[in-house]
Amino acid sequence: AQSVTQLGSHVSVSEGALVLLRCNYSSSVPPYLFWYVQYPNQGLQLLLKYTTGATLVKGINGFEAEFKKSETSFHLTKPSAHMSDAAEYFCAVSDRDDKIIFGKGTRLHILP
Amino acid sequence: GAVVSQHPSWVICKSGTSVKIECRSLDFQATTMFWYRQFPKQSLMLMATSNEGSKATYEQGVEKDKFLINHASLTLSTLTVTSAHPEDSSFYICSASGARTGYNEQFFGPGTRLTVL
Repeated sequence: AQSVTQLGSHVSVSEGALVLLRCNYSSSVPPYLFWYVQYPNQGLQLLLKYTTGATLVKGINGFEAEFKKSETSFHLTKPSAHMSDAAEYFCAVSDRDDKIIFGKGTRLHILP
Repeated sequence: GAVVSQHPSWVICKSGTSVKIECRSLDFQATTMFWYRQFPKQSLMLMATSNEGSKATYEQGVEKDKFLINHASLTLSTLTVTSAHPEDSSFYICSASGARTGYNEQFFGPGTRLTVL
């Protein structure tokens, strides 16, 4: 069975600092991996996804994530945080059927 | 990109009444639609998966008679919460996928906030 673990339900970084949101997964087959962002009272927006090929994936808004099979990780990073990045971030995994399993989410706070 | 809408964006109803939420794919044909429920400050919980023209597949623990799902066309799915009670208050989010979007990527609607008094 698939599962996703996001380390840290809340992460605070200063504006301009590096953002690192951690995600580890378990899957019995090579997974598809996703990061979504959710702003208050809104649906989810896809930041980036990994399916096959290059393990470093670039997404929208300057975010990127690296698929590390040996570590079963898919951490999300952004070199320089912006106030508008404050939101809830969800890591998710799919084992190639239709279903996506979400992690519990990490609330990102940006300090001025 | 692929756009999914939900209507209404929020609804307040009295206990015992039924509420219908619509999910529409605006610019693609959605062969599969998903319904999620999200409690405050928690993750999304998949309630059911529906394929156009067939019965929905419900996740374990989700009452199919309480949460009626219809996916009658390639652009519309509805979720009806029957005999709603305060514990049904939640944020309901739908998503959709199809040939154009890639079956392993879901596009999400903006969500519907349901409050049952």
